[in-house]
Amino acid sequence: NAGVTQTPKFRVLKTGQSMTLLCAQDMNHEYMYWYRQDPGMGLRLIHYSVGEGTTAKGEVPDGYNVSRLKKQNFLLGLESAAPSQTSVYFCASTLLGSDTQYFGPGTRLTVL
Amino acid sequence: GIQVEQSPPDLILQEGANSTLRCNFSDSVNNLQWFHQNPWGQLINLFYIPSGTKQNGRLSATTVATERYSLLYISSSQTTDSGVYFCAVPHTGGFKTIFGAGTRLFVKA
Repeated sequence: NAGVTQTPKFRVLKTGQSMTLLCAQDMNHEYMYWYRQDPGMGLRLIHYSVGEGTTAKGEVPDGYNVSRLKKQNFLLGLESAAPSQTSVYFCASTLLGSDTQYFGPGTRLTVL
Repeated sequence: GIQVEQSPPDLILQEGANSTLRCNFSDSVNNLQWFHQNPWGQLINLFYIPSGTKQNGRLSATTVATERYSLLYISSSQTTDSGVYFCAVPHTGGFKTIFGAGTRLFVKA
């Protein structure tokens, strides 16, 4: 039982490049979330999903897209990276009926 | 939307000391969580505490929902307690979670 895993752990992009972050969970959780964490701030919700095939916007969705084609995977895409997207990205998941979020180890992204 | 404020923003303790971290929230909530982010960035759920008091070893938490605050107590602090402590509450509508800015704790040996 690996919990919540994220790939990659680190990435450096140039402005305008695209990339996809992968989040996977093996706990059969219904809800999955993508957050970003910036220095001196708490986590801010980018997008979330309440089940396979469904996604919704969070607090800071602009510049990101997501997909949940399989229950265990939640993908976060950056179509045209900007320096303002330099951040640490966390994925989390929650079991239906529970309020406890389980977090992945994070992905540190730098956009030059 | 709901606002979450944590205090103090930074805290330095000598190993063995006790501390209290506070979380204020601007609206009624039916859920509140405390998280610890260790110096390596890993986020760990400490407590789910919508009301009342819970204890887990040297850590305990109390939420007074009617007065819109929660407290996290750390007793006999250890260097491994260092990191950032976040409280988080659900946004109106349920699925979203709003995090406070955190309290950064450093415990000196």
